[in-house]
Amino acid sequence: KNQVEQSPQSLIILEGKNCTLQCNYTVSPFSNLRWYKQDTGRGPVSLTIMTFSENTKSNGRYTATLDADTKQSSLHITASQLSDSASYICVVSGGDYGGSQGNLIFGKGTKLSVKP
Amino acid sequence: EADIYQTPRYLVIGTGKKITLECSQTMGHDKMYWYQQDPGMELHLIHYSYGVNSTEKGDLSSESTVSRIRTEHFPLTLESARPSHTSQYLCASRAGPFRSPLHFGNGTRLTVT
Repeated sequence: KNQVEQSPQSLIILEGKNCTLQCNYTVSPFSNLRWYKQDTGRGPVSLTIMTFSENTKSNGRYTATLDADTKQSSLHITASQLSDSASYICVVSGGDYGGSQGNLIFGKGTKLSVKP
Repeated sequence: EADIYQTPRYLVIGTGKKITLECSQTMGHDKMYWYQQDPGMELHLIHYSYGVNSTEKGDLSSESTVSRIRTEHFPLTLESARPSHTSQYLCASRAGPFRSPLHFGNGTRLTVT
């Protein structure tokens, strides 16, 4: 069964600290993995996409990694800010089957709270 | 921020009422989607569309219907609201194939009493 598991479920850190969020998936075949940030009361916004051949990709203070062999991804946030408080959702695409939504499998998200 | 708009933002309605959740995008995207999101749970696909006059049901069994008469407009209708329909509804659109990101609206929070 195609699944995306995220950990931890929630996380509280102090402003300025680093943190790492985990995403493990069992989606096959694998096409790409995307991290979204969802602020409270807003829709998710894409942070970064990882394809099979990419190991690391950065977007400002956000760095995503992908290990396609172990089917794991991580999102590292450096020097956290209060505005980083949000849910972070890992979404894995199993490919474009017949032109549908690309067989997107969503994780439940990690809720990050950054405290002053 | 993507130009995709959902109205209303919040809706409280009684059981049995008919409601329509509006979704519009100004990006000219062909692909549009409706998702249901409950707290702490993953997004579930309710309906999607590849373009005008194209609609398909998603993975989540739903008593809702959608229409796609214009590229920019993808409304979702509940003929008879029930308390089990209480949830957050997110509309999204995408430019092209599966590598393109989903652009989400800010959602409609529906409460059925």
